[in-house]
Amino acid sequence: AAGVIQSPRHLIKEKRETATLKCYPIPRHDTVYWYQQGPGQDPQFLISFYEKMQSDKGSIPDRFSAQQFSDYHSELNMSSLELGDSALYFCASSNRDSVIYGYTFGSGTRLTVV
Amino acid sequence: AQSVAQPEDQVNVAEGNPLTVKCTYSVSGNPYLFWYVQYPNRGLQFLLKYITGDNLVKGSYGFEAEFNKSQTSFHLKKPSALVSDSALYFCAVRDSNAGNMLTFGGGTRLMVKP
Repeated sequence: AAGVIQSPRHLIKEKRETATLKCYPIPRHDTVYWYQQGPGQDPQFLISFYEKMQSDKGSIPDRFSAQQFSDYHSELNMSSLELGDSALYFCASSNRDSVIYGYTFGSGTRLTVV
Repeated sequence: AQSVAQPEDQVNVAEGNPLTVKCTYSVSGNPYLFWYVQYPNRGLQFLLKYITGDNLVKGSYGFEAEFNKSQTSFHLKKPSALVSDSALYFCAVRDSNAGNMLTFGGGTRLMVKP
């Protein structure tokens, strides 16, 4: 079965550079969630989109932005990168009725800022 | 606001012994509860969830969890641990009153020794 696809798997950037992370949800899933997991930390919710509109907003820095496109894939744009942005970034997708169908997580993008 | 607590950073058990990983939650509405497992450098894998109905939920790999409303707990259990169960376990909650996203606990590292 198709899963949530995230690209790239690994990314190394320098401070003050920009990065774009991509997420391709499971077909027919209409909601995408972004999470940030720092070293030794639990995943922290950043932002979510339902039907291409921002749905919920968590602890996403102003330097980050995200959107969901017409094909339901989502991109997380990160600017003016800081060392503290080094983390594993997860994307998850679900149907709107996520309670019943659950959430499926991608394998994550590991971002290292040097 | 919804929150999840996993009071133990690490749980050590011997192979073949029963294991319990603790989780308590706080929500304003109805709780929808999930357990995920994370292996090193991997994504979050779904184990089980409680939505409604029977308080004892059975999931993947022989794991089960019991929802206790009065104690606001959702402890993860397995009757007989395997060395391969060693991983990081996250409890997560979605509050029926607070958006569609999951809030994670801090994680518990399970170490099963032969």
